[in-house]
Amino acid sequence: GENVEQHPSTLSVQEGDSAVIKCTYSDSASNYFPWYKQELGKRPQLIIDIRSNVGEKKDQRIAVTLNKTAKHFSLHITETQPEDSAVYFCAASLYNFNKFYFGSGTKLNVKP
Amino acid sequence: DSGVTQTPKHLITATGQRVTLRCSPRSGDLSVYWYQQSLDQGLQFLIQYYNGEERAKGNILERFSAQQFPDLHSELNLSSLELGDSALYFCASSGDVRIQETQYFGPGTRLLVL
Repeated sequence: GENVEQHPSTLSVQEGDSAVIKCTYSDSASNYFPWYKQELGKRPQLIIDIRSNVGEKKDQRIAVTLNKTAKHFSLHITETQPEDSAVYFCAASLYNFNKFYFGSGTKLNVKP
Repeated sequence: DSGVTQTPKHLITATGQRVTLRCSPRSGDLSVYWYQQSLDQGLQFLIQYYNGEERAKGNILERFSAQQFPDLHSELNLSSLELGDSALYFCASSGDVRIQETQYFGPGTRLLVL
């Protein structure tokens, strides 16, 4: 089955700096990659997603890149703010199955 | 608000007991997923139902079972509870699996086993 690895497990940045979180997946059949943000004690919320026919997607300060050949995808947050502090999860989903495989999460701390 | 509802929000029970967690998916969504999240841990996929039928199984213990009813709401039953079952249980829903829609999470049920 699919295996998703996420790095780093914790990330501390200064407010205004950029943050990058990386995920790798093992099954080349995966073709949908969402990212979720989870604040303490709350539900994971979708922040951005990308499908395998696209290499990059951007939404304001958040962007996701996908390298299908290398089987890795990354989340980029620019101009970080304290409210970006949360745990971020990447996931990969297999075509025509919709089972999601989640990474282990990255705890992002943005220092004011 | 994702449109996915879960009840109850909190549950405190004793070891050996049985509990039922309930989830109502977003209107129109056919798939329901259940996840377990222990303290400071990632999301552990338990089971998925699609339009009333079990579609995928993850690391679900034999003491746990689930079902999806004709009105598409789902219930997760946890029996012979152990201390280690204390966790946040999330339900998520998505639409047609054939077109691979994303999933939206409910607010979770926090289970504490004493």
